Amino acid sequence: AQSVTQLGSHVSVSEGALVLLRCNYSSSVPPYLFWYVQYPNQGLQLLLKYTSAATLVKGINGFEAEFKKSETSFHLTKPSAHMSDAAEYFCAVRRSGGYNKLIFGAGTRLAVHP
Amino acid sequence: DGGITQSPKYLFRKEGQNVTLSCEQNLNHDAMYWYRQDPGQGLRLIYYSQIVNDFQKGDIAEGYSVSREKKESFPLTVTSAQKNPTAFYLCASSSTGLTPSNQPQHFGDGTRLSIL
Repeated sequence: AQSVTQLGSHVSVSEGALVLLRCNYSSSVPPYLFWYVQYPNQGLQLLLKYTSAATLVKGINGFEAEFKKSETSFHLTKPSAHMSDAAEYFCAVRRSGGYNKLIFGAGTRLAVHP
Repeated sequence: DGGITQSPKYLFRKEGQNVTLSCEQNLNHDAMYWYRQDPGQGLRLIYYSQIVNDFQKGDIAEGYSVSREKKESFPLTVTSAQKNPTAFYLCASSSTGLTPSNQPQHFGDGTRLSIL
């Protein structure tokens, strides 16, 4: 069965520090992977998506993610955290079997300290 | 601007009452989805619809119902059979174009449902 695991429900970094949010997936087919961000009391906004064109994917707001098939990982990074990056981040994988359904990880809440 | 509008933003339900959450999109997307979000559990799929007049149950459909009479609208009814309805509900839509598998889902800003 497909699944998404996000290691660390809470991550705290200092402003200007590297952000690393971990995502591991399980999929029996080549995966389509997504990272979304959610600000309080809002919906989810797409940060970036992996669709097999390139293993390093650049997204909005300076975020990027690298697809590593051997590690079944799709970790999200940003070189320098900004206070406005504080939010909850969700990794998702498209389900196999047709339709554009997604399986979401449990989310990682990022806190950024001055 | 195109987008997804969910209303109301906050909703309260009394015991034994059915309530309906509205979701409207003007993105011309064929597919629409309803998710339930609880703290620490990510998003769980309630119902989805790939085309007008057709919809399928997701992972947690019990106690919920939907309709898809128009392309732009996908209302969700939380029935009295749903014993634990307190949650944040998110509606999403996506294109089913040439490469539907990599089309991202676009989300509304959600409805927070609470029990009175």
